[in-house]
Amino acid sequence: EAQVTQNPRYLITVTGKKLTVTCSQNMNHEYMSWYRQDPGLGLRQIYYSMNVEVTDKGDVPEGYKVSRKEKRNFPLILESPSPNQTSLYFCASRMKYGSTEAFFGQGTRLTVV
Amino acid sequence: AQTVTQSQPEMSVQEAETVTLSCTYDTSESNYYLFWYKQPPSRQMILVIRQEAYKQQNATENRFSVNFQKAAKSFSLKISDSQLGDTAMYFCAFILNGAGNMLTFGGGTRLMVKP
Repeated sequence: EAQVTQNPRYLITVTGKKLTVTCSQNMNHEYMSWYRQDPGLGLRQIYYSMNVEVTDKGDVPEGYKVSRKEKRNFPLILESPSPNQTSLYFCASRMKYGSTEAFFGQGTRLTVV
Repeated sequence: AQTVTQSQPEMSVQEAETVTLSCTYDTSESNYYLFWYKQPPSRQMILVIRQEAYKQQNATENRFSVNFQKAAKSFSLKISDSQLGDTAMYFCAFILNGAGNMLTFGGGTRLMVKP
């Protein structure tokens, strides 16, 4: 089954404690991205990757890191989480051309206290 | 930069009736795609319908159809014969054609279908 898998689905952490949210896709997609969803703001792109070892900033990259060492995996790293990073996070993948459908993971609800 | 605006934060409709969700966007480009995504309480993002800007014909998928007005930069979603399972958050999204472009979302409309 074609899917994007992200883990964990729920995470509560304390300010400053490094965390990683994993994302994996099994569709051989070139393009992967991370979004955060906040009420009234929709989904905003954090980082994206066009291929292995190629990553770039989206609209809201501050406080986040990503890596793309393998085509299928695209983890999101919060080195020192802060309460303003409390949000719902989505990983997505698609073929590189914009006309193609984006597939989303099931979301990670992150709370930073 | 492209922007997408959904002016209705919340809407409700009676079961079996028709409802229209609004979306406007801003771009100076002519070659792009528009999407409506549904997000039910499970949080899963589900593609509802897609429209290519170069096509004048409005896209339809069963009970879902769009009214695409390119000159007005408007892309509304019509849901006919609303069902309880249509209760969800709906997001309008825009992307330029080409490799590596970013999908831009509107703020969302929360739709409640009432029995």
